[in-house]
Amino acid sequence: DTAVSQTPKYLVTQMGNDKSIKCEQNLGHDTMYWYKQDSKKFLKIMFSYNNKELIINETVPNRFSPKSPDKAHLNLHINSLELGDSAVYFCASSQAPGGATGELFFGEGSRLTVL
Amino acid sequence: DAKTTQPTSMDCAEGRAANLPCNHSTISGNEYVYWYRQIHSQGPQYIIHGLKNNETNEMASLIITEDRKSSTLILPHATLRDTAVYYCIVRVGGGGFKTIFGAGTRLFVKA
Repeated sequence: DTAVSQTPKYLVTQMGNDKSIKCEQNLGHDTMYWYKQDSKKFLKIMFSYNNKELIINETVPNRFSPKSPDKAHLNLHINSLELGDSAVYFCASSQAPGGATGELFFGEGSRLTVL
Repeated sequence: DAKTTQPTSMDCAEGRAANLPCNHSTISGNEYVYWYRQIHSQGPQYIIHGLKNNETNEMASLIITEDRKSSTLILPHATLRDTAVYYCIVRVGGGGFKTIFGAGTRLFVKA
């Protein structure tokens, strides 16, 4: 069983469209994240949810809206897609705050290409 | 979170030990050292972490200097599949905290 799974793996779309990427984890973790990796390969944190509550919100355009229907799922919806949104988006999860571990478990990524 | 400095790239011969250094001179007392790696086109993978003591697991060993200002990740017998970008990160422990990735070290394991 895949621990952190994302769908779709590849997404090609036109500028101006709205798209969603879904993420699910079966590790029983309370905290989930979205990271963006651009063409220069830098991984940047975008959002984090703990038990369905937003706890990290980096400087991200409000066209990006995360949604966490339950603690096992964190979806990313992007409105009015722009060329600069082309990147690989990684979902991750970790144990709840308080533990000394907190290592991240990443999904395989969703490659978004905006034409 | 403290900043880290890593070499941009390193080479290693297959079967030899790969020693990846990391400087974190501004690390705070409650910050851990974490190592991740990212094999091409895959999601980053957790390797190991430590606070003060040296740590070893099935993937690697982590050596932290006594003053905690630097550390070394050791892959004891590198294989071609260990070719990846290795990230050294310092941050407080526990989930729900920001894990900030730098540029990392690109390790090339050569036959």
